[in-house]
Amino acid sequence: EAGVAQSPRYKIIEKRQSVAFWCNPISGHATLYWYQQILGQGPKLLIQFQNNGVVDDSQLPKDRFSAERLKGVDSTLKIQPAKLEDSAVYLCASSPRAINTGELFFGEGSRLTVL
Amino acid sequence: EDQVTQSPEALRLQEGESSSLNCSYTVSGLRGLFWYRQDPGKGPEFLFTLYSAGEEKEKERLKATLTKKESFLHITAPKPEDSATYLCAVQAEGTYKYIFGTGTRLKVLA
Repeated sequence: EAGVAQSPRYKIIEKRQSVAFWCNPISGHATLYWYQQILGQGPKLLIQFQNNGVVDDSQLPKDRFSAERLKGVDSTLKIQPAKLEDSAVYLCASSPRAINTGELFFGEGSRLTVL
Repeated sequence: EDQVTQSPEALRLQEGESSSLNCSYTVSGLRGLFWYRQDPGKGPEFLFTLYSAGEEKEKERLKATLTKKESFLHITAPKPEDSATYLCAVQAEGTYKYIFGTGTRLKVLA
């Protein structure tokens, strides 16, 4: 079974530039999550989708971050304009359903460096 | 506010030296507590789910236990390949959100 795919793996940009990350979850997984993991910290939820609807985006900085999930499958996370403090690994995860056994399947992440 | 605290932040063990990692949590009601392993440059990998106080789960050299306020991840006779960051997460009743701790970085020396 193919895992969660993310791209790009690494991205370096200047502050105030924009960047987009892509995620393809495991086939058939209804729920998709975007997490931000700053070096030395645990993952922090940015947004959760159930199919193509948003379940929770309370911690998404909506003035600069946006996310969408196309047709309930792939998802894109965009940052515009980027700030220095956005330097982090952006992890995508999926699960079969919203209330589950707890197992989230994570991708390898996209590492963003903002200069 | 729901919160997860892990200790120690970092731990160095000799191969074969058993130890425990701690995860303390504060939630209004616990739906589940989860342990993940994260290797450098990788996403977290699921290890265990615990639902109620007194529950225990085992996998190879790892054993997770749960009380009403904390969970322990016991590592018996660790090997260098057990070196990783171990993350604890909780899911509170009435929410779909997973709250992660900051992790314990484990280094096992040969």
